[in-house]
Amino acid sequence: DTGVSQNPRHKITKRGQNVTFRCDPISEHNRLYWYRQTLGQGPEFLTYFQNEAQLEKSRLLSDRFSAERPKGSFSTLEIQRTEQGDSAMYLCASSLAAKGPGNTIYFGEGSWLTVV
Amino acid sequence: AQTVTQSQPEMSVQEAETVTLSCTYDTSENNYYLFWYKQPPSRQMILVIRQEAYKQQNATENRFSVNFQKAAKSFSLKISDSQLGDTAMYFCAFAYNNNDMRFGAGTRLTVKP
Repeated sequence: DTGVSQNPRHKITKRGQNVTFRCDPISEHNRLYWYRQTLGQGPEFLTYFQNEAQLEKSRLLSDRFSAERPKGSFSTLEIQRTEQGDSAMYLCASSLAAKGPGNTIYFGEGSWLTVV
Repeated sequence: AQTVTQSQPEMSVQEAETVTLSCTYDTSENNYYLFWYKQPPSRQMILVIRQEAYKQQNATENRFSVNFQKAAKSFSLKISDSQLGDTAMYFCAFAYNNNDMRFGAGTRLTVKP
């Protein structure tokens, strides 16, 4: 079990460019989550997948954001036409779905995005 | 809407002492879960402890224990025998559905030698 893996760990991009982050969850986990975290704040939920289906999207996820999990394994989060306000750490997490909300969510180390 | 409030932005404690971090939440749900996560300077979030709302017994994990007061919607974390490695951001989190775990703003804990 290698844990949740994210890359790149750091990305600096110019405003207006597109960026893509990748997340590899723990292998047997069928749920995958994306969160955004800014300095001094807790993580904010963006979206989650169960297998390849995207089941929930936060209103924080504007039209410039798109997430995919095509084969139910790894996931990508793409941000188009980046803005300075997109600068944050993007956290990926995974869990094994269970009845009720009690399954533990495991987080990756995050991908830092700086938009200049 | 569910909200989580951590009223202590920063705290410090001497090594080997005990410290309590506060958390309150607001929900109309009756069955839910509460968590404390630790985020060390390396930034990876690690689960410290979790509590099922339907259980009256407070959860305990080694040096970490919680004081869960359901009626007061309070969920504090007590760290006993604090160690230097406990220095981190601590986030309280609430989950009704796992698709939407809500986090507080965090408490930065510094353990002093």
